[in-house]
Amino acid sequence: GQQLNQSPQSMFIQEGEDVSMNCTSSSIFNTWLWYKQDPGEGPVLLIALYKAGELTSNGRLTAQFGITRKDSFLNISASIPSDVGIYFCAGKTLRDDKIIFGKGTRLHILP
Amino acid sequence: GAGVSQSPSNKVTEKGKDVELRCDPISGHTALYWYRQRLGQGLEFLIYFQGNSAPDKSGLPSDRFSAERTGESVSTLTIQRTQQEDSAVYLCASSPGRNSPLHFGNGTRLTVT
Repeated sequence: GQQLNQSPQSMFIQEGEDVSMNCTSSSIFNTWLWYKQDPGEGPVLLIALYKAGELTSNGRLTAQFGITRKDSFLNISASIPSDVGIYFCAGKTLRDDKIIFGKGTRLHILP
Repeated sequence: GAGVSQSPSNKVTEKGKDVELRCDPISGHTALYWYRQRLGQGLEFLIYFQGNSAPDKSGLPSDRFSAERTGESVSTLTIQRTQQEDSAVYLCASSPGRNSPLHFGNGTRLTVT
């Protein structure tokens, strides 16, 4: 079936640094979603993208729907301690109705 | 308003027993998903319900797994003859339509001893 390749698998950064993570696939997607998961909770939606080339911000977060429709990235600017968690990309292809998820990027902030 | 509710929040069962996990989606949401998340891993798709259409069961890992949904409301995920590898958090999510983002519950943590 379709697969989403999310990278990096984990990141260790200093507070205040910018963060970038991305997701790629061999299939064309018509929806890209970015979620964050805190320990013991379900994932929470950060940004939803529906059009190729779309660039959307949510506070310090910015995500883009790649022009080829096979990739998306998420940037976090000026990271703060509460940004720690697992970030998942998710999406839906043209030929399938279900939403699938990447394996996640684990963000750690060094003291 | 109320979000997606899952029960129980934790379940410990003995190997070989059957378990039933429940999900109450947000009222009016036509789509409902079940995912499995093993410790430290990503979300593995299990099954997807959309309105009155036949569910997409392509992610169910074996015939020990089944799920039902009553109309556009509650869903139950049943695992028969549980095995230790079934230990995971089972997440339910719902959405108002085909192209809408998912809203997740907090999951049921299943431990098979």
